Amino acid sequence: KAGVTQTPRYLIKTRGQQVTLSCSPISGHRSVSWYQQTPGQGLQFLFEYFSETQRNKGNFPGRFSGRQFSNSRSEMNVSTLELGDSALYLCASSPLVSSGGANTGELFFGEGSRLTVL
Amino acid sequence: AQSVTQLDSHVSVSEGTPVLLRCNYSSSYSPSLFWYVQHPNKGLQLLLKYTSAATLVKGINGFEAEFKKSETSFHLTKPSAHMSDAAEYFCVVIMKDDKIIFGKGTRLHILP
Repeated sequence: KAGVTQTPRYLIKTRGQQVTLSCSPISGHRSVSWYQQTPGQGLQFLFEYFSETQRNKGNFPGRFSGRQFSNSRSEMNVSTLELGDSALYLCASSPLVSSGGANTGELFFGEGSRLTVL
Repeated sequence: AQSVTQLDSHVSVSEGTPVLLRCNYSSSYSPSLFWYVQHPNKGLQLLLKYTSAATLVKGINGFEAEFKKSETSFHLTKPSAHMSDAAEYFCVVIMKDDKIIFGKGTRLHILP
């Protein structure tokens, strides 16, 4: 079974630009969550999607958005990039069976997309 | 509010000696707790999880953790460190609103 795939792995942008990151979950997983990892703040939860609906959201500004498609693939977008957005963005999928179900905490992570903003 | 605190940002041990990575949580009810490991330039991998069954939880690669309610702790241990254990370790809690919260991480260094 293929793991979680994130693209691109590395990218460089300049301030003010926007970026779109993609995540393909493990086959059969309908829940996808996104995290931002930085040396200063650690791992911070961005948002979680289940069956194309946002299920949960962290405390990030509206410049950070996401969506999920019918095949469970997910994208996140960051607009008007700032230097502080430089980070490793991690995607995780989980075998959550229903939107109302409880998180099992069993997350399967991709290797991340490393974004550098100049 | 529910949270998780990893008490050490860096831990160094010699190869073959025991490993102890500390994690304390705060919660108004019995939480679900996890440890994840992240090797350099890789995503995170689940090591083990506690979900109110046995208090001593065994994970992969010889790691285990003990849930101690009286101490609100969930420390990760391994009897004998191996060079391949060098990585960053995250203690994780599921909050009441079902959000998954990661601790700040502990970087484990293994000395030859």
